[in-house]
Amino acid sequence: AQSVTQLGSHVSVSEGALVLLRCNYSSSVPPYLFWYVQYPNQGLQLLLKYTTGATLVKGINGFEAEFKKSETSFHLTKPSAHMSDAAEYFCAVTHRDDKIIFGKGTRLHILP
Amino acid sequence: DSGVTQTPKHLITATGQRVTLRCSPRSGDLSVYWYQQSLDQGLQFLIQYYNGEERAKGNILERFSAQQFPDLHSELNLSSLELGDSALYFCASSVGVGYTDTQYFGPGTRLTVL
Repeated sequence: AQSVTQLGSHVSVSEGALVLLRCNYSSSVPPYLFWYVQYPNQGLQLLLKYTTGATLVKGINGFEAEFKKSETSFHLTKPSAHMSDAAEYFCAVTHRDDKIIFGKGTRLHILP
Repeated sequence: DSGVTQTPKHLITATGQRVTLRCSPRSGDLSVYWYQQSLDQGLQFLIQYYNGEERAKGNILERFSAQQFPDLHSELNLSSLELGDSALYFCASSVGVGYTDTQYFGPGTRLTVL
């Protein structure tokens, strides 16, 4: 069975600092991995996804994530945080023939 | 704006009642997904329809049912409501049937059961 663990339900970073949101997955077959963002009172929006190919994936708003099979991780990073990045972030895993599983989410706080 | 619309935005009802949530997918999308988001359970996949047919089931209770109509809009029916059904219900749509397709989420319906 697949699962996703997001380390830290809340993460605070200063404006301009590096953002690092951690995601580890469990899957018995090659996974497809996603990061979604949810702004207050809105639905989820896809930031980026990994299916096959290059393990470093670039997404919208300056975010990127690297698929590391040996570490079963798909951490999300952004070099410099902006106030507008404050939101909840969800990591998700699936594979070709199975439904998507979301992590519990990490709320990102940006400190001025 | 994702292009996915959901109505109503808010719904307040009593235990034991039945409600219907409606979703219109993005133009051209054939798949519709329903999710439940609550503080204790997180974001849970309920069910997927593709071009009118049920494609996959997740953690959907027997009291809940859904359908997708010929015009591709979808409805989620929740009956015999319990306090624990209070949650945010999201609809998402995608072009194809595959789980790797990008899903576009609607703004959600907040259901409060009193």
